[in-house]
Amino acid sequence: SQQGEEDPQALSIQEGENATMNCSYKTSINNLQWYRQNSGRGLVHLILIRSNEREKHSGRLRVTLDTSKKSSSLLITASRAADTASYFCATSGNFGNEKLTFGTGTRLTIIP
Amino acid sequence: DGGITQSPKYLFRKEGQNVTLSCEQNLNHDAMYWYRQDPGQGLRLIYYSQIVNDFQKGDIAEGYSVSREKKESFPLTVTSAQKNPTAFYLCASKEHWGETQYFGPGTRLLVL
Repeated sequence: SQQGEEDPQALSIQEGENATMNCSYKTSINNLQWYRQNSGRGLVHLILIRSNEREKHSGRLRVTLDTSKKSSSLLITASRAADTASYFCATSGNFGNEKLTFGTGTRLTIIP
Repeated sequence: DGGITQSPKYLFRKEGQNVTLSCEQNLNHDAMYWYRQDPGQGLRLIYYSQIVNDFQKGDIAEGYSVSREKKESFPLTVTSAQKNPTAFYLCASKEHWGETQYFGPGTRLLVL
């Protein structure tokens, strides 16, 4: 079963603007990760946030986690055309990291 | 170069035929995974293996089989029992205690 639902399903913005996408999940988690997928390619890990963390930064990426609302957001600042891709959240359960459960993804298009 | 390779990139299956997708990694990772991705959807877990000669069913294992005879290899067979096999198949691996999964480039399976 898919744990995460992402919102919006698709997002188009102008180059240079900020992009925000959200992920909601259903059960308690150990950590939440964001992955990126270029069209027809494999996934690439972007950033991980643990259940006891509220915010994390990596370059132009900012991730927040609200465990009380079972939700996370990914902010990409100063977007570039190369950021065009699908973005997925994935959660790791309370009892270990052996499996990830992926959300449905947000398709981001950056307009040059 | 270290990484995960999947072959072939495209695979065509005839009705009633079994086909095998290859996944090889030279990252010395213990755990390996197979996911199915349908158009516009997230990833669903088919099978995973945490150690050689052992594997577990994921959420959608029916119609699929796997083996893990070597640490580096985790082939997936799509059997004739899988009535709707057309999808993008992704293989991933991770270290035993790791949290992040590393993905191959994927195999697109089409039915003739």
